[in-house]
Amino acid sequence: QKEVEQNSGPLSVPEGAIASLNCTYSDRGSQSFFWYRQYSGKSPELIMSIYSNGDKEDGRFTAQLNKASQYVSLLIRDSQPSDSATYLCAVIKYAGNMLTFGGGTRLMVKP
Amino acid sequence: DAGITQSPRHKVTETGTPVTLRCHQTENHRYMYWYRQDPGHGLRLIHYSYGVKDTDKGEVSDGYSVSRSKTEDFLLTLESATSSQTSVYFCAISPGDRGSYEQYFGPGTRLTVT
Repeated sequence: QKEVEQNSGPLSVPEGAIASLNCTYSDRGSQSFFWYRQYSGKSPELIMSIYSNGDKEDGRFTAQLNKASQYVSLLIRDSQPSDSATYLCAVIKYAGNMLTFGGGTRLMVKP
Repeated sequence: DAGITQSPRHKVTETGTPVTLRCHQTENHRYMYWYRQDPGHGLRLIHYSYGVKDTDKGEVSDGYSVSRSKTEDFLLTLESATSSQTSVYFCAISPGDRGSYEQYFGPGTRLTVT
């Protein structure tokens, strides 16, 4: 079992729809959770961080964390073609700042 | 964008030669990291630093060494490059303070070992 798992996709949604991206992690001691967006040929860009159970909203993005079920999700409302990218889930297992990444989910938003 | 630069941005080198990649930051962040990204393997940590002259190994450290003599610079050296080290290399930085664990990535270096 991988430490951080994501469906590789592609996840295809129409423009204006809600895109839902999911991530599960194996270590119950995980403390911090992040979502990165990576366009093809570019570096990962941090879009959300979440540290406690519940929802965290930032503009069109909402991160959801459920530590009991060991999953974290990212919702993108009003999806735009410019949101088409690979979304990486990352987890810090314990104090020490070492990120473990999932393999990423490729999102395609069709006009 | 966070103030992170990487040099060179592209490099082609031959098997067996030493290669040094440089990461430079202007944010005065404590933590610096080197990752490699490969199809099918995702992003993997090579080495990281938690202060000047303080470094530690990551998941895939064999064949790599690092040095950090100044807060702003973190060097990654491939001691004798092999074709398996062909990859895209990313540097990242993080404040590392309590509650500030976000990592910010540099633009990357595409390395090809022939």
